[in-house]
Amino acid sequence: EPEVTQTPSHQVTQMGQEVILRCVPISNHLYFYWYRQILGQKVEFLVSFYNNEISEKSEIFDDQFSVERPDGSNFTLKIRSTKLEDSAMYFCASSVGLSSYNSPLHFGNGTRLTVT
Amino acid sequence: AQSVAQPEDQVNVAEGNPLTVKCTYSVSGNPYLFWYVQYPNRGLQFLLKYITGDNLVKGSYGFEAEFNKSQTSFHLKKPSALVSDSALYFCAVRDPSNTPLVFGKGTRLSVIA
Repeated sequence: EPEVTQTPSHQVTQMGQEVILRCVPISNHLYFYWYRQILGQKVEFLVSFYNNEISEKSEIFDDQFSVERPDGSNFTLKIRSTKLEDSAMYFCASSVGLSSYNSPLHFGNGTRLTVT
Repeated sequence: AQSVAQPEDQVNVAEGNPLTVKCTYSVSGNPYLFWYVQYPNRGLQFLLKYITGDNLVKGSYGFEAEFNKSQTSFHLKKPSALVSDSALYFCAVRDPSNTPLVFGKGTRLSVIA
């Protein structure tokens, strides 16, 4: 069964540094998402992406965050200047269609980001 | 804005016994409801969904969930728990006006042999 793959599985960075989290969504999927989960807390929506542009974003997704689909297969999340509170598990997801209708989200295994 | 509550951080059940993981939601319109499961070091896996139709929804691995509009609940159930069901379970809701999927904080299910 096709899977969403995320790399790296664990990323440690110093505060203020830029990080790029990478995802390869399922190949025939059209919608892409980033969620994050701070340890012990809710899974929070960050951003959705369709047709090479952001379709929706949350309050968390401020100017420090950006997403890109540079080559038709990868889907990246960039944090320009990391803060301690960015430490979390970041999940990429994709779906064939919008997540409400016969197209559940397929999640990757996540990247654990630790900011020191 | 929609929200989801999972009132239990942890549910413990003996193998072979029925299990229930609770979820209540709040949306402005008719909800789209989902359950996902997360095994250690893995991403969230889709279990089942309610969009419309029968209130009792059947999903993967013998799980089912009952949509109760009056109680705004969507509890996950299984008649006979297995040790391998031990995992983190997430309820999620979406408002049909195209807002993103919103997750609860998760409930850790522990099935004891």
